[in-house]
This record gives sequence, structure tokens and C-alpha cells, in this order.
Amino acid sequence: QVQLVESGGGVVQPGGSLRLSCAASGFTFSSYGMHWVRQAPGKGLEWVAFIRYDGSNKYYADSVKGRFTISRDNSKNTLYLQMNSLRAEDTAVYYCAKDPASIVATIFDYWGQGTLVTVSS
Amino acid sequence: SYVLTQPPSVSVAPGQTARITCGGNNIGSKSVHWYQQKPGQAPVLVVYDDSDRPSGIPERFSGSNSGNTATLTISRVEAGDEADYYCQVWDSSSDSVVFGGGTKLTVL
Repeated sequence: QVQLVESGGGVVQPGGSLRLSCAASGFTFSSYGMHWVRQAPGKGLEWVAFIRYDGSNKYYADSVKGRFTISRDNSKNTLYLQMNSLRAEDTAVYYCAKDPASIVATIFDYWGQGTLVTVSS
Repeated sequence: SYVLTQPPSVSVAPGQTARITCGGNNIGSKSVHWYQQKPGQAPVLVVYDDSDRPSGIPERFSGSNSGNTATLTISRVEAGDEADYYCQVWDSSSDSVVFGGGTKLTVL
């Protein structure tokens, strides 16, 4: 069965950096687009970024553009999110999610359980 | 950027029908998807491409989309349907995924 397991969350100071990982199993990781989605405490869902199956194209929410970088290693079945210049408003649970499409962003058919990132001094 | 508007809350008695709306400019020209999220859990896709259901989702969940409003309809509501529901589209003008603000469904 499809499994997505996020890791790398924690507490970081404003202006700091953090790298999240998402280990995928149960499907052919290299064939599908992947997303990061976040949810601030008590708030709604916010899409963060999408990467095509082969990493050739990446799309970002305006709120993270220039600060966050999505990437993938298909040989390791792993998705990453490098987060720099972190702000208090980046505090959230970060989910990785699978897209059933390979090239365009469509829907999120499987989700991980999320990893909490807290930006605080 | 594209905005999706949902009512913050909807309440319904067990056995009745719940309708959750998602408003957006000419949303009928887009494919709308719906997610259910229960407290402490990751979201689950319940309707995609306006009205299709993933395998395992009860037929009680249905969707429609026309004009400026998409609607998620839950028939014969059960206590277990109590959750937050989010609509979602892909906005091609900004190359971004957009979520509605979410609707909390309360089963009375």
C-alpha cells in the first residue's frame, strides 16, 4: 500500500533553515508528481509546492517563492523541502502528498501524516 | 490570484442532507476537488473532478459544479461525517493550487 512518511520537522529560530524529507513506498515514486502542503495550527490547508515526476518543473506558492526549494531523489524514493529564511508564519504541519498525474498538478490522492515545523525564538 | 470561498460552518441533523458550497469566479470552468479532514488526521480525497468518487468513498458523497459555485453534497449524514471539508482547484493563470478556507460540518 502507498506510504508517505515525513521527517525533519522541529523547532527553528526565525531566519533559520530546515530540510524536510518524505520517504515514499508502495508505488512507483519516479512516475508521479509530488506536493508539499502545510497547515498552520487551527487554520486551513495551504499548498506549498509541486514537482513533476522527473524534477524538470517546480511550482511554488507566492508565500514561499524564493525561500523554499522542492526537490526529489527518485533513486531513493524521497521528496524534499529545503526551507530557508524561515518566519513565524511558516509554523505549520507540513504534509507531503502524491499526485496521480506525472506532469501537471491535479489532486492529492495520498497524504503523509505530517511533520510539525515551529519557527520561534 | 484565484479565490475560493466556503462557509465557515454547516450544521445538519443525522440522516439529513448536507450541502457545502465553494464559490469562485467562473469555477464551473475548472475541475473541483473535495477533501475531508478529521481532527488530528491528514486530509482524505472524497470527490475529484467535480463529481467523481475515489474507491472506498461512500455513494452518499457527491459533487456538482456550475457557474460560480461548486457543491459537495453528503446524503444521509452520519455522526462520522463530522469533519472539516476543503475544496481545491488548480489555477492555471498563476500555476498554483488553491484551497478554499474550509467548512466545519457539525452533525447535530
